[in-house]
Amino acid sequence: EVRLVESGGGLVQPGGSLRLSCAASGFTLSSYEMTWVRQAPGKGLEWLSYVDTTGTARFYADSVKGRFTISRDSDSVYLQMNSLRAEDTATYYCVRRSGASVTRRFLDYWGQGTQVTVSS
Amino acid sequence: EILMTQSPATLSVSPGERVTLSCRASQSVSSHLAWYQQKPGQAPRLLIYGAYTRATGVPARFSGSGSGTEFTLTISSLQSEDFAVYYCQQYNSWPPGYTFGQGTKLEIK
Repeated sequence: EVRLVESGGGLVQPGGSLRLSCAASGFTLSSYEMTWVRQAPGKGLEWLSYVDTTGTARFYADSVKGRFTISRDSDSVYLQMNSLRAEDTATYYCVRRSGASVTRRFLDYWGQGTQVTVSS
Repeated sequence: EILMTQSPATLSVSPGERVTLSCRASQSVSSHLAWYQQKPGQAPRLLIYGAYTRATGVPARFSGSGSGTEFTLTISSLQSEDFAVYYCQQYNSWPPGYTFGQGTKLEIK
């Protein structure tokens, strides 16, 4: 069974930092590209970041570019979040991309999410 | 950036009814369109990919159609567990990233 378990969320002051982790099991993480998606309270889904299977190619939404950094190792995916703002308050989901080809770029497995609250 | 627009924002329906949700892309995304279902307090779940292919375990009452810029998700006979928010997402244009529709909420009438 594919499982993605996020951790590392919490309450942080504006300007602070957090590092989210996503532990993967039930599949070979190194074979899959991974993404982070967030959802502000009562709002829709916002894609944030992507990393390829090797960790070499990384993409970011404009809203987090320069502040967030995605990385990975053999077991987990990470999201380093710096210079946090109130508008970063959201549930953060770790999500697996089904494949690399254009026909397989959809997001097939989602973690349960970790809550990040940015407030003084 | 490709914009995804879903309509309506909210739909009040009764169990057993047939319902159709719409999703429009600001430019063609071919058939590279996915639908996700999100129940309250839960993570989104993949329902449909490739515009019309049901994901593993998705009941046959869910069907997707469309290509280019116009897409629909149809639920043939609503069950109580189907009341949720549904999002469409294009994955044709990459990079720079994914874009989701704003969601359609199905409410019990």
